[in-house]
Amino acid sequence: GENVEQHPSTLSVQEGDSAVIKCTYSDSASNYFPWYKQELGKRPQLIIDIRSNVGEKKDQRIAVTLNKTAKHFSLHITETQPEDSAVYFCAAIDATSGTYKYIFGTGTRLKVLA
Amino acid sequence: NAGVMQNPRHLVRRRGQEARLRCSPMKGHSHVYWYRQLPEEGLKFMVYLQKENIIDESGMPKERFSAEFPKEGPSILRIQQVVRGDSAAYFCATFGDTNYGYTFGSGTRLTVV
Repeated sequence: GENVEQHPSTLSVQEGDSAVIKCTYSDSASNYFPWYKQELGKRPQLIIDIRSNVGEKKDQRIAVTLNKTAKHFSLHITETQPEDSAVYFCAAIDATSGTYKYIFGTGTRLKVLA
Repeated sequence: NAGVMQNPRHLVRRRGQEARLRCSPMKGHSHVYWYRQLPEEGLKFMVYLQKENIIDESGMPKERFSAEFPKEGPSILRIQQVVRGDSAAYFCATFGDTNYGYTFGSGTRLTVV
C-alpha cells in the first residue's frame, strides 16, 4: 500500500522568510496530492492540491511542486506570517481507485517567529 | 465549514465505558471516512463507509471498535470498553466541494479517565 513520508517534523522560520515542506510517496499509481493545514485544536483544512498531470500550482503565497519521477512533492510558503503557524499534512491517493482513502504524512509543525 | 457535523465536540469517558461518536455528512453525500489523531501525531485512517456498507475497515482495531452508516441518520463510530490509549481526536470526512479534497468535521476529542 501507499506510504507517505514527510520532512521536516518541525520548522521554525522568521516572519517574511520562506518555508518548504517535502513529502515522498511510494505508490506510483498515486495521482492526487493535497495539503492540509491544521491550527491548534481545529480541523484540518485543505489549502492547496495538485494532480499528477501538472508539475506546479500556485495560490498567492503558497505553491506546490510535484516530481513524479522521483515521487516527491513539496509545499512552498513565501513571505511567511505568524498566522501561517500550524501543522501541515501532505497526503497522496490514487483518485482512480474509487476509494479516495487518504494516506497522510506525519505532519510538519511550522512556527513563524515574529 | 458547517457541512460536516460531528458531535459531541468533547467526550469524557471512564475506563470500561462505551463511547459513541456521530458524524453527519453534507446532505447528498454518502461517503464517510473516519480518522484518528493521537496527541501530537498525524491522521490515521480507520474506516471508510458508504450508506449501509463498510467499504474498507483496514485501519480499525479488530476488537472494541465498530462503525456503521445507516440508511437514515448519522455515521456512528463506537468504541466499547474504552482504555486510556483511546484518548484522541476522531475526525470524520467526506468529499468537499472541489475535486477529491476532503472536508473534515470539527472532530470529537475523546478523553478516557
